[in-house]
Amino acid sequence: QVLLVQSGAEVQKPGSSVKVSCKASGGRFSSYAINWVRQAPGQGLEWMGAITPIFGAPNYGQKFQGRVTISADESTSTAYLDVSSLRSEDTAIYYCARSNSVTGRTLDYWGQGTLVTVSS
Amino acid sequence: DIQLTQSPSSLSASVGDRVTITCRASQSISTFLNWYQQRPGKAPNLLIYDASTLGSGVPSRFSGSGSGTDFTLTISTLQPEDFATYYCQQSYSTHSRTFGQGTKLEIK
Repeated sequence: QVLLVQSGAEVQKPGSSVKVSCKASGGRFSSYAINWVRQAPGQGLEWMGAITPIFGAPNYGQKFQGRVTISADESTSTAYLDVSSLRSEDTAIYYCARSNSVTGRTLDYWGQGTLVTVSS
Repeated sequence: DIQLTQSPSSLSASVGDRVTITCRASQSISTFLNWYQQRPGKAPNLLIYDASTLGSGVPSRFSGSGSGTDFTLTISTLQPEDFATYYCQQSYSTHSRTFGQGTKLEIK
């Protein structure tokens, strides 16, 4: 059984950065894509990007290129999402989600979500 | 990026009703289309993948169809636990897994 456990809620000031972690247990961490999806209050789901640890290089949604960094540490089975130059519009719940297949086409397992609030 | 447009954005229905939600892609995505259900305060849950394959543990009242640019999610007989928000997502592009804007299914 795959379990994804995310780090706790954060409150950050505009212009600062935040790093959210996602620790996986169960299954082979390196072979399956970890995706990051965010949801602003009352809004829909936005796919931010993904990384398959065995391949290394992450993919990013066009909107998030340049301000978002996705990484993974195979030694601790943990994926990270780093968002810089935070603005109020980045206030959202950030989810990590893992695929159950090596194609990475589905989001089968989800973390509990991390609320990031950007406020001065 | 491939755009996905869902309709309707919201829908009122009663327990026992048959409901259909549509998702249209801005270009052909073959059958690389997934559907997720999200209940309030919870993470999304995979319902259907590859347009028509039921996810693990998903009740058979859910079904999906379509290919190319037009897709549908059907719930044959609505149950109380089905009132939630539904999202489509394309998995055609390896560099972008965009979601539709969501369809909120409410009790009439």
